[in-house]
Amino acid sequence: DTAVSQTPKYLVTQMGNDKSIKCEQNLGHDTMYWYKQDSKKFLKIMFSYNNKELIINETVPNRFSPKSPDKAHLNLHINSLELGDSAVYFCASSPPQRGGGDTQYFGPGTRLTVL
Amino acid sequence: GDSVTQMEGPVTLSEEAFLTINCTYTATGYPSLFWYVQYPGEGLQLLLKATKADDKGSNKGFEATYRKETTSFHLEKGSVQVSDSAVYFCALTHDSWGKLQFGAGTQVVVTP
Repeated sequence: DTAVSQTPKYLVTQMGNDKSIKCEQNLGHDTMYWYKQDSKKFLKIMFSYNNKELIINETVPNRFSPKSPDKAHLNLHINSLELGDSAVYFCASSPPQRGGGDTQYFGPGTRLTVL
Repeated sequence: GDSVTQMEGPVTLSEEAFLTINCTYTATGYPSLFWYVQYPGEGLQLLLKATKADDKGSNKGFEATYRKETTSFHLEKGSVQVSDSAVYFCALTHDSWGKLQFGAGTQVVVTP
């Protein structure tokens, strides 16, 4: 019954490694997002896909690469991890936007710790 | 660019107290406004929203009114419970793709 799911929930890794976070939604939504929440709880959008097409690409290092194999999945791959990448990453989805008023549904988050 | 400013936390209250969290915004045009809540260890959930001026959003005893003249969307609840302890985020969007701009979040702690 989980609407937006993410795996893994926790990820601990060494600097320089490459890792991926997966996100799936079963709500039938067209649009999916990745957000980063830092240690002070500040949330910032990173990427958004609509029906597998990239529509929002904020100022994010190119070590971060989203991939959407279909409209129900949006994965985040991170190369050459750095200490500053430690954060909680949230996936979200929403129905097709009509002027931006639609609700976004968030996953439970993936806590990434880079050592 | 767009921005959202929230009062800093933590806000500590006793059960049954009145809660207000201030939120003001800067944006062109008429954004949609949201309050999201994050309970400990969980993702964000929509609490309420308003999409045009003078709209009032309400849910679970919480209310907020979209005030265009003061560019504000303050969150209120008349009688809080311990279960309301969470981080509350004010946010806006007027991007056609729904890009949310969040405030910094306000932690609320309700004690018995």
